[in-house]
Amino acid sequence: AQKVTQAQTEISVVEKEDVTLDCVYETRDTTYYLFWYKQPPSGELVFLIRRNSFDEQNEISGRYSWNFQKSTSSFNFTITASQVVDSAVYFCALGSSNTGKLIFGQGTTLQVKP
Amino acid sequence: EAGVAQSPRYKIIEKRQSVAFWCNPISGHATLYWYQQILGQGPKLLIQFQNNGVVDDSQLPKDRFSAERLKGVDSTLKIQPAKLEDSAVYLCASSSLSLPGQGSYEQYFGPGTRLTVT
Repeated sequence: AQKVTQAQTEISVVEKEDVTLDCVYETRDTTYYLFWYKQPPSGELVFLIRRNSFDEQNEISGRYSWNFQKSTSSFNFTITASQVVDSAVYFCALGSSNTGKLIFGQGTTLQVKP
Repeated sequence: EAGVAQSPRYKIIEKRQSVAFWCNPISGHATLYWYQQILGQGPKLLIQFQNNGVVDDSQLPKDRFSAERLKGVDSTLKIQPAKLEDSAVYLCASSSLSLPGQGSYEQYFGPGTRLTVT
């Protein structure tokens, strides 16, 4: 069965702190894709990153970085020097290489306080 | 480039009534998805279209939900009759994925329709 677990339901930090959002996935597929989406209070899901299972290189984009570890089936997301505008619900998702279907985790609500 | 459009944004109906949601995907996107997002949960796929055809509808409650995608562009999702547990946000997404087996492309989401069933 395919599954995504985001064990952290809610995280609260003070502005400028670093924060890491955990994501653990389960799949029997050898080829798969991993995603992170942001859902701000407005409700629209915003695409952040897509990785395929053959590319374990970490990625950095501005204050955002992603750590993909196939050995532990994890795809964690770190925000450096968090800002109030980072407050949102963040979803990790597992993508099927066959149909493109996404399976989402339960989401982690991040609150960044000024 | 225009994003995914959805209407209406909000809908309140009584149980046993019917309701329909409309989605217009990003121009040129072959694949369209409908998701249901219950409060406090991640989105759950209801149905996936590739052009006009259905790729996956395994989690669509077919006794009350139906969806169509005419001419491979716009799509409509209908619920008839609605139940209290159908209260959720219905999200439409599209991607440029054009053939099965091509992998999993990023999906772009619309603003959603918030449905309240009373």
